Amino acid sequence: GQQLNQSPQSMFIQEGEDVSMNCTSSSIFNTWLWYKQDPGEGPVLLIALYKAGELTSNGRLTAQFGITRKDSFLNISASIPSDVGIYFCAGQLGGSNYKLTFGKGTLLTVNP
Amino acid sequence: DADVTQTPRNRITKTGKRIMLECSQTKGHDRMYWYRQDPGLGLRLIYYSFDVKDINKGEISDGYSVSRQAQAKFSLSLESAIPNQTALYFCATSDPYRGWTDTQYFGPGTRLTVL
Repeated sequence: GQQLNQSPQSMFIQEGEDVSMNCTSSSIFNTWLWYKQDPGEGPVLLIALYKAGELTSNGRLTAQFGITRKDSFLNISASIPSDVGIYFCAGQLGGSNYKLTFGKGTLLTVNP
Repeated sequence: DADVTQTPRNRITKTGKRIMLECSQTKGHDRMYWYRQDPGLGLRLIYYSFDVKDINKGEISDGYSVSRQAQAKFSLSLESAIPNQTALYFCATSDPYRGWTDTQYFGPGTRLTVL
């Protein structure tokens, strides 16, 4: 089945630094999603990407849908303490295949 | 008020007990899902429902059952709980977007511990 490799598994950074994480897949997706999960809460959708090559921003967050449709990255600029959490990527084929395939997450820690 | 709510938020039970986790949504979405999350394993799909009359197994449905009581309600049952079902359980909803892909919105989760 499809697998997503998300890296890095964890990051420990200083407040103000920029962050980059990515996901790669062995097969193509038609949608890439990025979620953030705070401790004790459910994942919250950050950015949705629907087209290969698409670059989308949401405040300090920027995500791109890789041109090959097998990868995506998420950048966070000027990190702040509330960016702490687990970030998940998810891929979806779409159409009759609703299923989301999730990466295993990147744990981000921001040191004030 | 939250769009997707789950009850209970925390539950401790014993092996062999029957447990029901409930999910309600006010988003008006037709599609609902149940996932479990285990450390290091990410989110895995248990069951999903595209409408009240449609129920489908996900990748890890053994030991679980579901009921879609209404468009807004989707319950997950553990008929006879076992310790390896200790996990975080999430409900999610979605609605097709552009007729091709749809994005899923998650509830706050239920932490279940089976002793």
